[in-house]
Amino acid sequence: SQQGEEDPQALSIQEGENATMNCSYKTSINNLQWYRQNSGRGLVHLILIRSNEREKHSGRLRVTLDTSKKSSSLLITASRAADTASYFCATYYNNAGNMLTFGGGTRLMVKP
Amino acid sequence: AAGVIQSPRHLIKEKRETATLKCYPIPRHDTVYWYQQGPGQDPQFLISFYEKMQSDKGSIPDRFSAQQFSDYHSELNMSSLELGDSALYFCASSFGRGLYGYTFGSGTRLTVV
Repeated sequence: SQQGEEDPQALSIQEGENATMNCSYKTSINNLQWYRQNSGRGLVHLILIRSNEREKHSGRLRVTLDTSKKSSSLLITASRAADTASYFCATYYNNAGNMLTFGGGTRLMVKP
Repeated sequence: AAGVIQSPRHLIKEKRETATLKCYPIPRHDTVYWYQQGPGQDPQFLISFYEKMQSDKGSIPDRFSAQQFSDYHSELNMSSLELGDSALYFCASSFGRGLYGYTFGSGTRLTVV
């Protein structure tokens, strides 16, 4: 079964707006990671947040983690057309094997 | 900086043929992972190797096998290919068994016709 599930599945916004994507997971984690994927291309690591962290920033990205609710959100501020991509959350828990388990992904379209 | 290198980038095979995908991890990374991503789906974990030994196994069909060699490169061997095997296959590598994040390759797009 999927570990992480993303919400919304698709998001369309105008350039300059903020985009928020949410991720829920089911088990304990060591960390949660967000990845970006342009259509049919490789996965690019964006940000990693550890289970003892609540918020992390990287440029225009802001990630929050609520371990009590088993959820995370990715906020992209001042979006650009170049941010158009699919965004995946993935969880890592070394007591359940040392692999990432991906969620369903949010397809973000930023219109110029 | 060197990234994870996968070859080939694209591969077209017929049903029942075999395919071999190659992955060259980042130097000094201790773990290699293989993922399969079907059209419109999220990546699914197949198998991983830690220091050249098989570490974890996911939803990898019995028709597939993988190994990691002494130079740390890894190969995913796929036999008796089926149409449903058409997908993007990603290799990733990490240090510290993935605790600090993964680096993914650009993937191999396999099309089975």
